[in-house]
Amino acid sequence: QSALTQPASVSGSPGQSITISCTGTSSDVGGYNYVSWYQQHPGKAPKLMIYDVSNRPSGVSNRFSGSKSGNTASLTISGLQAEDEADYYCSSYTSSDTRVFGGGTKLTVL
Amino acid sequence: EVQLVQSGAEVKKPGESLKISCKGSGYSFTNYWIGWVRQMPGKGLEWMGVIFPGDSDTRYSPSFQGQVTISADKSISISYLQWGSLKASDTAIYYCARGAYSAYEFDYWGQGTLVTVSS
Repeated sequence: QSALTQPASVSGSPGQSITISCTGTSSDVGGYNYVSWYQQHPGKAPKLMIYDVSNRPSGVSNRFSGSKSGNTASLTISGLQAEDEADYYCSSYTSSDTRVFGGGTKLTVL
Repeated sequence: EVQLVQSGAEVKKPGESLKISCKGSGYSFTNYWIGWVRQMPGKGLEWMGVIFPGDSDTRYSPSFQGQVTISADKSISISYLQWGSLKASDTAIYYCARGAYSAYEFDYWGQGTLVTVSS
């Protein structure tokens, strides 16, 4: 199974909104509502930000939201803050009863 | 408090075997999947596989099937990731994580174990 496709980098200014896309196939993203998003700061373990396409775990800011259309899922961060600068990874359940990650997107807050 | 505590960094030579561990606490270890994720230096996350400690049911990514073995000892709440013969390309940080919600989504993560394979 191939990694999901994410843009290598995105950027935005404080207060703005950004969206990160995650494209897969009908065997993963398009076939199941089991897309999750992770935030990883340098030298740290990843942190779950969104699960089941659009659900936020307890404690995650409501500035983070997720959606899906067809084979593409998206993570939107509104009211961008300096602390949001990190790498973001999507992940999807697959028809092989496993999961696959995206290649990762580096978010820069200008 | 849910915690996953991983074993310490390892330095090995090519061809050697290795087993690293991940101890869960603060929750019912037998009722949640435990997964393993590889992160090679400067690269992204790679999903390796998961195990359900309650019955040792296991799933492997095709990329890692046959390359590693995931196991668990539910009596001591520990999951293991092991290699029979390491290669230099196995150099990476390995994370364990707890699988929750609908389909192995990882809600709690260990601190990572750095494995360095070098002659």
